Amino acid sequence: QTVVTQEPSLTVSPGGTVTLTCASSTGAVTTAYYPNWFQQKPGQAPRALIYSTSNKHSWTPARFSGSLLGGKAALTLSGVQPEDEADYYCLLFYRGARVFGGGTKLTVL
Amino acid sequence: QVQLQESGPGLVKPSETLSLTCNVSGGSISSGGYYWSWIRQHPGKGLEWIGYIYYSGNTYYNPSLKSRVTISEDTSKNQFSLKMKSVTAADTAVYYCARENEGIDYWGQGTLVTVSS
Repeated sequence: QTVVTQEPSLTVSPGGTVTLTCASSTGAVTTAYYPNWFQQKPGQAPRALIYSTSNKHSWTPARFSGSLLGGKAALTLSGVQPEDEADYYCLLFYRGARVFGGGTKLTVL
Repeated sequence: QVQLQESGPGLVKPSETLSLTCNVSGGSISSGGYYWSWIRQHPGKGLEWIGYIYYSGNTYYNPSLKSRVTISEDTSKNQFSLKMKSVTAADTAVYYCARENEGIDYWGQGTLVTVSS
């Protein structure tokens, strides 16, 4: 069974920069896995941020960016705002199937 | 602006079948290129992809749920549906429907389904 792994939790100061990563148990993550990133705040549905590694949706704030880093998918938040405190999930595509990572709880402190 | 809205019973008895519908507005589910998906989230846990139906009617399911899940569509009503049979308490979760284009972009607000007698 394929497992997608994210950092369980990260803490960042307001105005700082933080990178979240997303690893696959099958090996290095490439663009062929079409990494997606989502933000979820308590009591809300997830909100899409990034698709196909680095593409932003029309509503995605400029401070969010996606990339590949050291064999993993990565989501970087630059100039973190207090409202960025949330859970973040990655999603990888495995041919027909899709698998979510376990999520990263980002604390802004 | 595409909007998705889940509907269905909030309480299902163990061993019975969970049935949910996703109503889509602002776009046609029979338009080419979209995958219409179901995703769930157990209380306090992460997201789990359940499966999708493609506009052509093809489906793909999470291997761990495949034996119990069916996703279908009703293009006349612009809806797609999820059926999960033989449910247990472990199927208690918030169920989301979503649209996938070049990535999952639009989500429904989610509906809590509790499996309990």
